[in-house]
Order: sequence, then structure tokens, then C-alpha cells
Amino acid sequence: DAGITQSPRHKVTETGTPVTLRCHQTENHRYMYWYRQDPGHGLRLIHYSYGVKDTDKGEVSDGYSVSRSKTEDFLLTLESATSSQTSVYFCAISKVRNQPQHFGDGTRLSIL
Amino acid sequence: RKEVEQDPGPFNVPEGATVAFNCTYSNSASQSFFWYRQDCRKEPKLLMSVYSSGNEDGRFTAQLNRASQYISLLIRDSKLSDSATYLCVVNNNFNKFYFGSGTKLNVKP
Repeated sequence: DAGITQSPRHKVTETGTPVTLRCHQTENHRYMYWYRQDPGHGLRLIHYSYGVKDTDKGEVSDGYSVSRSKTEDFLLTLESATSSQTSVYFCAISKVRNQPQHFGDGTRLSIL
Repeated sequence: RKEVEQDPGPFNVPEGATVAFNCTYSNSASQSFFWYRQDCRKEPKLLMSVYSSGNEDGRFTAQLNRASQYISLLIRDSKLSDSATYLCVVNNNFNKFYFGSGTKLNVKP
């Protein structure tokens, strides 16, 4: 399995609080992605990174920001969490742009 | 219109049956295609890539029809362990992948 670690694995927090999710990889892959998965929607891309300090928006980026200061770490931040951001969040990596992605175990985030 | 569409199922089949799923995509410029498998409350895992000429991996066969913009997955001799949700994934040659909502397969004894 690809060396991808997401933390935390589970989190419950309150509306309006900031939340940061971490994705750490040991594969030295260039591309990293954050998705959310909700019933009926499949996986939707939030943000992605194509190198250190190089990031871009996905289809559901509102309310989220990301940072990538090192190849191995990609952080997803919810500046002020809302209940609509309750979801399962997956990080994925790929070595080359249009090749298969490999996923972390996911983070279950509940915002009350 | 969604980028990728799949029949959500569930497909309920007996062990040993052959089952096929289709997935349609909207962007004719899409370049890469994949099938992933996702077990309940787990991460998606790559099942196979889909090549223009079609490809086979054991009991699994994937095909691409560019003219009609769909990909298919055929599973022969279904096993109980094949029960899962199968996700169709399409890449449009930029940095974005589009996932279908998945097709649920239940293989019964």
C-alpha cells in the first residue's frame, strides 16, 4: 500500500471553529489531492497540489484552504467550520499527473 | 450535467454469476479512465486502468467506447469478496479526476 497517512482519523468539533487535516506521504509523489465524499455525490475534489507551494482549486473549494510547504505534507484547513462540511475527507497522491491516484484511509469529520 | 454518471444499483447477483457495469462520461476530451473499488467505510482502491484496446485482469475485464463515451467493467465468476462499490474515474488530461457516485454490488451465496 502507498505510504499515505491522514490525521486525525476522526474528529468532532463545533460550528465556527478552525479545523486542520493533515496528509503525509512517504512516496515522494509530486501530486497530492484532497477530496470529500458524501452520499449521492461520490468523491469531489476540494484542492490539489502539483508541487511545493503550488496548489489549485477543485470543484468544491469554497470554505477550504490548503498549504504545501514540503513535498510530503499537504494540509487542508477549514477556517470556520460549518455543518455542511461534515463529511469523510480523503487525501490522494499520484506520481504523474494523469496516472492513478492512491488514497489515504480517510478522516471522518463531524461538525455540530 | 455530471462529468461521470453511474447506475447506483445495487446489483444483487449469486456467486458465480457474471455482472457488468457501465459508466458514461461527458467530456469527449477525457484521456485516462479507471475503475476503483471501495469497501464500506474504507478508502477507494485502484482495481484497474482502462485502455483503448480493452484490458483484462483475471476475472475482470474493462472496456472503453470513445464513440459513445462510456466505459464498462465485467466481472466473471463473482465471489462473495467482490461485494463492494465500484467507482468509475475519468481524467481530462489536466490535474482533475472526476469520480462517479459508484455502483453497489452485492454477491449472495
